Amino acid sequence: AQKITQTQPGMFVQEKEAVTLDCTYDTSDQSYGLFWYKQPSSGEMIFLIYQGSYDEQNATEGRYSLNFQKARKSANLVISASQLGDSAMYFCAIRSNDYKLSFGAGTTVTVRA
Amino acid sequence: EPEVTQTPSHQVTQMGQEVILRCVPISNHLYFYWYRQILGQKVEFLVSFYNNEISEKSEIFDDQFSVERPDGSNFTLKIRSTKLEDSAMYFCASGPQYEQFFGPGTRLTVL
Repeated sequence: AQKITQTQPGMFVQEKEAVTLDCTYDTSDQSYGLFWYKQPSSGEMIFLIYQGSYDEQNATEGRYSLNFQKARKSANLVISASQLGDSAMYFCAIRSNDYKLSFGAGTTVTVRA
Repeated sequence: EPEVTQTPSHQVTQMGQEVILRCVPISNHLYFYWYRQILGQKVEFLVSFYNNEISEKSEIFDDQFSVERPDGSNFTLKIRSTKLEDSAMYFCASGPQYEQFFGPGTRLTVL
């Protein structure tokens, strides 16, 4: 079974600053994938970034980067240059061999002007 | 950019009624999923579908639930005899293999 732990229920960040959202995982699969999704107050789930377990380079997508530390089983999301529109809930998820996603409890990010 | 779409955006139903939630996955994707999110809780996997059959289902996905891909574009989730605890946001997702892109969700309210 896969498990995702997000220990930060909520975070505040000043506009234009960077914020790191923690995510640790547990899996017995050799091959897996790690995802981050953004859920604004409107409710949709927006795909942000993906990291495969065999990818040696950390994934980056625009202002989002994933700090993947395989030995520590962590996959932290870094949002650089925060914007007011980044205020949302952020979910970390792990994809198992059967392709289903297991989600963490989420972290609420509030960006202050 | 292609998107997963879901209809309706909000469905209100009486307990015991049947509902069908509809999804149109991204056209060249082969893997389809349903997830649900009870208000204030994390997203939970329900079922995955590949090659016209269920490939994996969770404990939540009991005989009350069924999925269909009736034609080349739609992917539906049917909930028979809805219960109060079925009230949740239901997300459809599709993907090529490893990635999953979510639709905007259907908020189901069972009264």
